[in-house]
Amino acid sequence: DGGITQSPKYLFRKEGQNVTLSCEQNLNHDAMYWYRQDPGQGLRLIYYSQIVNDFQKGDIAEGYSVSREKKESFPLTVTSAQKNPTAFYLCASSMAGGAVHEQFFGPGTRLTVL
Amino acid sequence: GQNIDQPTEMTATEGAIVQINCTYQTSGFNGLFWYQQHAGEAPTFLSYNVLDGLEEKGRFSSFLSRSKGYSYLLLKELQMKDSASYLCAPCTSGTYKYIFGTGTRLKVLA
Repeated sequence: DGGITQSPKYLFRKEGQNVTLSCEQNLNHDAMYWYRQDPGQGLRLIYYSQIVNDFQKGDIAEGYSVSREKKESFPLTVTSAQKNPTAFYLCASSMAGGAVHEQFFGPGTRLTVL
Repeated sequence: GQNIDQPTEMTATEGAIVQINCTYQTSGFNGLFWYQQHAGEAPTFLSYNVLDGLEEKGRFSSFLSRSKGYSYLLLKELQMKDSASYLCAPCTSGTYKYIFGTGTRLKVLA
């Protein structure tokens, strides 16, 4: 079955540590996205990538970094520079090019920084 | 600038009809999505409108007026499982970026 996976589902880290969240898709989608969601809030775009080896900052990129070395994978690193990293992180993917396409979401990773 | 406005919370009774409104202002517009999100889960796609008018999909319908920057999601024959947040997301032209609203939390009561 095609889909998008994120791991782990829950993650705990100490303040000051970097942490990397995994996102993998086997939908053959060119575009991938990372969002952050805080309680009672909408989704805010962190980074997105339309093609391998290329990515753009979203609205709240400070304190985060990404890579896109493979089409299937778009890991997100939450660095110690991110002031309030505790949140629910969602990865999504979509087809790219031409028309607008729906985004498919992974199950999310809930990060808690202690 | 970009701005999306949805009611924060709505309550309705099982079997009833509810309309969730969304107004938006975006720099460039290329269609609007509605997503459903149950608590603690990922959003799932409900509908997409790019032209003015009503799109119907079973119990769910979505309407768009581009000139007014307005959309609504209509849910009929409400069921308990429809209790969720509903996210309005216009898509900006020239990019693949969606702008998500804060969502409307719908509670369906027995």
